[in-house]
Amino acid sequence: DAGVIQSPRHEVTEMGQEVTLRCKPISGHNSLFWYRQTMMRGLELLIYFNNNVPIDDSGMPEDRFSAKMPNASFSTLKIQPSEPRDSAVYFCASSFIQGIGNEQFFGPGTRLTVL
Amino acid sequence: KNQVEQSPQSLIILEGKNCTLQCNYTVSPFSNLRWYKQDTGRGPVSLTIMTFSENTKSNGRYTATLDADTKQSSLHITASQLSDSASYICVVTDNTNAGKSTFGDGTTLTVKP
Repeated sequence: DAGVIQSPRHEVTEMGQEVTLRCKPISGHNSLFWYRQTMMRGLELLIYFNNNVPIDDSGMPEDRFSAKMPNASFSTLKIQPSEPRDSAVYFCASSFIQGIGNEQFFGPGTRLTVL
Repeated sequence: KNQVEQSPQSLIILEGKNCTLQCNYTVSPFSNLRWYKQDTGRGPVSLTIMTFSENTKSNGRYTATLDADTKQSSLHITASQLSDSASYICVVTDNTNAGKSTFGDGTTLTVKP
């Protein structure tokens, strides 16, 4: 298994532009998580899906952020319009929810720089 | 509010030495506690997962302990290697239907030759 796949690995864009981050979870996993990591705030959960349905989006910073999971093998995190303070590493993780103790497998992350 | 606090914030040790990282939490009701290792420029990788009934769990040179009464966990690294240099993150998940996870800020460990 290739693990969680994220694209692009690096993204540099100008303020005001739309940014779309992509994630392919591990096949067979039924939960998907989007995280943001910065030096100041550490690792923050933005949103997670269970069986393609958003369960908790309380971590999404504001309306500029949106996430979709149209099917079990693909998810996107979109920022429109982007701002310099959105610069961070965005991680996608997936897991198979089976009772308690479910382990999340993280992708390599997308490093976003908004100029 | 659920919180996870880790200490120390950073640590420098010599290769071959042992070290212990701490994690205190207030998450309730408790479901499980995980320790992750995050190498620079990579995503976190799970080291151990412990549930309420588990006191100790080992993964090679890594040993995690859990005291659910005092809500404390530790990660002990034995005979450290240069490759242990990383950030170690403690994550505690609650036992509600949402299964919300709270992340600590991590401890940055540097192992020097």
